[in-house]
Amino acid sequence: EAQVTQNPRYLITVTGKKLTVTCSQNMNHEYMSWYRQDPGLGLRQIYYSMNVEVTDKGDVPEGYKVSRKEKRNFPLILESPSPNQTSLYFCASSFLGTGELFFGEGSRLTVL
Amino acid sequence: AQSVTQLGSHVSVSEGALVLLRCNYSSSVPPYLFWYVQYPNQGLQLLLKYTTGATLVKGINGFEAEFKKSETSFHLTKPSAHMSDAAEYFCAVSLNQAGTALIFGKGTTLSVSS
Repeated sequence: EAQVTQNPRYLITVTGKKLTVTCSQNMNHEYMSWYRQDPGLGLRQIYYSMNVEVTDKGDVPEGYKVSRKEKRNFPLILESPSPNQTSLYFCASSFLGTGELFFGEGSRLTVL
Repeated sequence: AQSVTQLGSHVSVSEGALVLLRCNYSSSVPPYLFWYVQYPNQGLQLLLKYTTGATLVKGINGFEAEFKKSETSFHLTKPSAHMSDAAEYFCAVSLNQAGTALIFGKGTTLSVSS
């Protein structure tokens, strides 16, 4: 089954404790992206990647890091989480040229 | 700079009634436009997209949208609402057909009553 898989789905952590949200897709997509969704703000792009070893900042990259060492994986790293990073995070992927993003089910992160 | 405005954060309709969700965009170049739907506790999925060609675009689940350049609009419609249409709907714009760096609207929650 074609899918984008995120882990963990739910996480409660404390300020400053490094965490990684994993994202994996099995559709051989070149493009992958991370978004955060906040009430009243819609979805905002954090980082994206057009291919292996190619990443770029989105609209709200501060406090986040990403890497793209393999085509299928695109982890989101919070080196020192803060309460304002409490949000619902989505990973998405697509073939370049289609515009059709496939989304994971989301990871709800709470930073205390 | 691109932007997307969805008019109305909440829309309520009765089952069987017309659904109209409004989206206006701002773009300095010909836009590529998308509608996504998010059901409760799920990720977003693509409803339909406009890139080039026919301005009336048909999508899944009976939805369609019309690109009107003169009005910079891309409103989403469905002739007859079903209870299962209750969800949050997002309009999005991209400068390129690849759909990278999508700019999303803030979303419209559709409620359907029986």
